[in-house]
Amino acid sequence: SQKIEQNSEALNIQEGKTATLTCNYTNYSPAYLQWYRQDPGRGPVFLLLIRENEKEKRKERLKVTFDTTLKQSLFHITASQPADSATYLCALAPYNQGGKLIFGQGTELSVKP
Amino acid sequence: DSGVTQTPKHLITATGQRVTLRCSPRSGDLSVYWYQQSLDQGLQFLIQYYNGEERAKGNILERFSAQQFPDLHSELNLSSLELGDSALYFCASSVDQGGTGNTIYFGEGSWLTVV
Repeated sequence: SQKIEQNSEALNIQEGKTATLTCNYTNYSPAYLQWYRQDPGRGPVFLLLIRENEKEKRKERLKVTFDTTLKQSLFHITASQPADSATYLCALAPYNQGGKLIFGQGTELSVKP
Repeated sequence: DSGVTQTPKHLITATGQRVTLRCSPRSGDLSVYWYQQSLDQGLQFLIQYYNGEERAKGNILERFSAQQFPDLHSELNLSSLELGDSALYFCASSVDQGGTGNTIYFGEGSWLTVV
């Protein structure tokens, strides 16, 4: 069956360190993968997109990698800050299904000062 | 502020009842999406409309229906409500019919509690 799995445990790190979040999927061939941030009781906010033919994308302190052989994406936040504390969701876009996104369960990140 | 407007923000209703959730997409966006988020299921895709037509469908229950009107706003109708329908319902919008990678913008959600 098709599955998307993110770090099931919450991630606690110290301010200034790099946070690395994992998204693994099985039985999908996504056209692209996206990462979103969600704060409690709020809607998800788009952060980064990476396509199947791309290995890495960067935006300011954010970096995402995509390995279609391993079926895995890694999301990095460098020089983390307490304001980065939130839940991070990965989402796959299957081919030929309009704009449908399939979301992982999310990983809760807590950055301590 | 994403520009996607959802009403009502909170709703409490009894089992067996019917509710309507409303969504206004960002100005210029032609696609509207509906997602359900519950603690045990996470964020689940329900349905997408593009310029008034159904574009993609997820595991939307038969008790649920949606439509997109000529002015592009959308409504999600939930009927014969059950306790398990209690969730946060998100509307999202994008400029095109999806699958291109264009950003999808989410609203702040409608909290539905079924008692």
